[in-house]
Amino acid sequence: AQSVTQLDSQVPVFEEAPVELRCNYSSSVSVYLFWYVQYPNQGLQLLLKYLSGSTLVKGINGFEAEFNKSQTSFHLRKPSVHISDTAEYFCAVRKRTNAGKSTFGDGTTLTVKP
Amino acid sequence: EPEVTQTPSHQVTQMGQEVILRCVPISNHLYFYWYRQILGQKVEFLVSFYNNEISEKSEIFDDQFSVERPDGSNFTLKIRSTKLEDSAMYFCASKGDGDEQFFGPGTRLTVL
Repeated sequence: AQSVTQLDSQVPVFEEAPVELRCNYSSSVSVYLFWYVQYPNQGLQLLLKYLSGSTLVKGINGFEAEFNKSQTSFHLRKPSVHISDTAEYFCAVRKRTNAGKSTFGDGTTLTVKP
Repeated sequence: EPEVTQTPSHQVTQMGQEVILRCVPISNHLYFYWYRQILGQKVEFLVSFYNNEISEKSEIFDDQFSVERPDGSNFTLKIRSTKLEDSAMYFCASKGDGDEQFFGPGTRLTVL
C-alpha cells in the first residue's frame, strides 16, 4: 500500500518570496511521484513528475521538485512566487504498473499575499 | 492537445436517484480511472478499468457503484441510489502506454 503525507496544510507566503511545499511518501513498491495544482473550482493540472533519472525535476510555472529516496520525500519548490500561484497543491504517488492507481496527499493550500 | 472530457460539469440530483457520470478518455488510451474529491478533502481513488473489466477498486466503490465502457469512446460511472455523502467532485482519468494519468475537469455531483 502507498501513503502520502503533505506536512503543511496551509502555507502563507508573500509575493516574490521562495516557497517549499513538503511531501513524504511511504510505499512497499517502487512508485512514480507527481505534483498537481488545483485552482478553485477547477480540475487537476500536472505540475511535474518524477519517473526516473535525475532527482531534480522541473515543471511548469517555474516549479521544481527534488526526489530524495533515502528520506522518501518529494518536496516542491519555487524561488519566487506570484499571486497567481495561490491554489491547492497535491502530491501523489502511483505504482509502477500499467493500471496502477494514484494515491494523493491531503493537499497544501498555498496563499500568496501581496 | 488531446484531453479527457467529462459531462455534465455539474449534476444535481435527489437522494435515492440514479446518476450516470460520463467521461470521454483520450482516444488511444487503454487504462481508465475514476476518482472523487469531497469538498475540501483530498482526491480518493475509486476504481481502475482495463480490457473491459475492473482492475482494482477501493473500499468506497461498493455495490452502489458500477463502471462501464459502453462503446469505443465513453467511460461511465453509475451510482444506483445516491446518498448525501456521494456529493463530491468526480474525476475521470485515462492513461496510455506512458506513465502519466490525464485527468478530466471533473463533474460536481450535488445530492439533495
